[in-house]
Amino acid sequence: NAGVTQTPKFRVLKTGQSMTLLCAQDMNHEYMYWYRQDPGMGLRLIHYSVGEGTTAKGEVPDGYNVSRLKKQNFLLGLESAAPSQTSVYFCASSSGQLRSGNTIYFGEGSWLTVV
Amino acid sequence: GDSVTQMEGPVTLSEEAFLTINCTYTATGYPSLFWYVQYPGEGLQLLLKATKADDKGSNKGFEATYRKETTSFHLEKGSVQVSDSAVYFCALEPGNTGKLIFGQGTTLQVKP
Repeated sequence: NAGVTQTPKFRVLKTGQSMTLLCAQDMNHEYMYWYRQDPGMGLRLIHYSVGEGTTAKGEVPDGYNVSRLKKQNFLLGLESAAPSQTSVYFCASSSGQLRSGNTIYFGEGSWLTVV
Repeated sequence: GDSVTQMEGPVTLSEEAFLTINCTYTATGYPSLFWYVQYPGEGLQLLLKATKADDKGSNKGFEATYRKETTSFHLEKGSVQVSDSAVYFCALEPGNTGKLIFGQGTTLQVKP
């Protein structure tokens, strides 16, 4: 029972390094999302995609880039990591609008520390 | 802009106590409202939802009613168990966007 899978689960980066988080879903969902979770702040949307080849900015997009070249994958890139990007990152996917009865499914999270 | 505010935690209760976690929202239009639960080391899971005013969402003994007049969606459970210990997030979907805006989360700890 895969659902939404994120890799890697843990990573330590030095300031200025780059990395890519990979999200894969096997539910044929159109919508995919990247959120970050910080203590006392809940989850905040970084970027999202409503279909293959499309991406859009969320609440906190600065310092991140994304790509959705295949429907099942959504990549989150950090070009030059900063300590402020230390966080837990969650990928999620859904079939569409939530009011219409669709549900968002979340991955288990990726813990990123930038030193 | 749209936002969600939850009561600050942590909330510590004894087993079988009554639970209320307050949630209020600010939104234009008519958002859908959700409660998600996060168990330690896991991702978020949908607990319940309501898509229009006066709807009541319920699941696993938890309930929440969409109150448009007070812009609230408080989570309640009549008798909590140790296994309910988790972080609870209130969230809204603005319009039909497919996106979620979350509150800051409330940690619940239930003691035997």
